[in-house]
Amino acid sequence: DAGITQSPRHKVTETGTPVTLRCHQTENHRYMYWYRQDPGHGLRLIHYSYGVKDTDKGEVSDGYSVSRSKTEDFLLTLESATSSQTSVYFCAISDGAGQGGPGSQYFGPGTRLTVL
Amino acid sequence: GEDVEQSLFLSVREGDSSVINCTYTDSSSTYLYWYKQEPGAGLQLLTYIFSNMDMKQDQRLTVLLNKKDKHLSLRIADTQTGDSAIYFCAESIRRTGNQFYFGTGTSLTVIP
Repeated sequence: DAGITQSPRHKVTETGTPVTLRCHQTENHRYMYWYRQDPGHGLRLIHYSYGVKDTDKGEVSDGYSVSRSKTEDFLLTLESATSSQTSVYFCAISDGAGQGGPGSQYFGPGTRLTVL
Repeated sequence: GEDVEQSLFLSVREGDSSVINCTYTDSSSTYLYWYKQEPGAGLQLLTYIFSNMDMKQDQRLTVLLNKKDKHLSLRIADTQTGDSAIYFCAESIRRTGNQFYFGTGTSLTVIP
């Protein structure tokens, strides 16, 4: 399995509080992604990074920001959490090539976030 | 976003074949993927197919791609109870920088 960890694995917070989720990889992959998974929607891309300090928005980026100061860490921040951001958040990594097919993404175990 | 659709549920008996279907809308897909998600876990890459291929076989898994109809399927031969999970198809689209677009997932239940 690809070396990807996410922390925390579970978090309960209140509306209006800031929340930061961390993704850490040991594979030295260039690309990192944050997705949210919701029933009936599959996975939707929030933000992604194509290198240190290089990030871009995905399909559902409103209310989220990201930072990548080191190759191995990709942080997702909810500046002021809302109940609509209750979800399971997955980090993924890719080296753009790989035995799983070019661009194949490998996923972390997920973080379950509940915003009350 | 791009529309990638899957049926929500599938039940099969142990030992039978399972066929999970997926339709997509963007004809500029480069690769199409199948992922498996077990309860409480992340997504595990099962297999992929390049968009100019029709079929790919990998042990018990067979992927069929009908590019004209934008239809992708995953066949699991001799389905086992350990195959019970949610299966996601995904497409990567060149014009979006190879971003992935996932289907809603098909929950496969294998009945002993």
